[in-house]
Amino acid sequence: NAGVMQNPRHLVRRRGQEARLRCSPMKGHSHVYWYRQLPEEGLKFMVYLQKENIIDESGMPKERFSAEFPKEGPSILRIQQVVRGDSAAYFCASTVTSTANTGELFFGEGSRLTVL
Amino acid sequence: DQQVKQNSPSLSVQEGRISILNCDYTNSMFDYFLWYKKYPAEGPTFLISISSIKDKNEDGRFTVFLNKSAKHLSLHIVPSQPGDSAVYFCAASALQGAQKLVFGQGTRLTINP
Repeated sequence: NAGVMQNPRHLVRRRGQEARLRCSPMKGHSHVYWYRQLPEEGLKFMVYLQKENIIDESGMPKERFSAEFPKEGPSILRIQQVVRGDSAAYFCASTVTSTANTGELFFGEGSRLTVL
Repeated sequence: DQQVKQNSPSLSVQEGRISILNCDYTNSMFDYFLWYKKYPAEGPTFLISISSIKDKNEDGRFTVFLNKSAKHLSLHIVPSQPGDSAVYFCAASALQGAQKLVFGQGTRLTINP
C-alpha cells in the first residue's frame, strides 16, 4: 500500500550541475503533479502530467526545467545547470482523476534540493 | 501576486482549546478550497475541503467556514490536541484549472500541553 514515492529525499548539487528528481505515483494513479516550495513559502504549482503527456506546464520556469512521465517508469523532473535559487523542496502529487477538487491530491514526502 | 494569503505565520494554542486558522483570497474565480496539514520532512496531507456553494463543512474536530463576500475562510480545530501541531496550508482552485492548487504561505500551529 505504497503512497507517492519520491527519490532522492535529499540531493546536493553544485552550481551548473544537473538535478533529476523522480516520482512514482500511487498505484492506480495516472495523473502526476509537481509543486515547488521555496523556504518560508507555500507550495507553487509547476507542471501536470499524464502518461506520456504534459497537460499543463504553466508553472514551469521557461528555461532549464523539464518534466516527463513516460509510459513505463517514474515521472522525472529535470533541472539543468542548477543555480542557488533552485534550492527548494520539490513535491510530487498524484490523483486518480484529472481534478484535485475532491481533495484527493496525495503528496509524496518531497525531494530537498540544495545547490552549493 | 499572492492570491491566497495566510497572514499569521504562527499560532500557539493551549491543549483542549479551539484553534482558528485564517486564510484570505483575492481571485473570485476560486470555487473550491482545501486545508492541508504538513509535518516536518513530510508531504502535505489533505485535511478538509469546502465548495463555494457551501459556507461550512465539518469533519470531526475540524470545521471549515467560508465567507465568499469577504473572500475569507477559516479552519477551526476543537478541541486542539498536541498531535495537531504542524504547518497548515490553505489552498484554492478554480474550475478551469482544477489540478492547479494555489497555496497560502502556511501557518505553524503549536499546541501547548
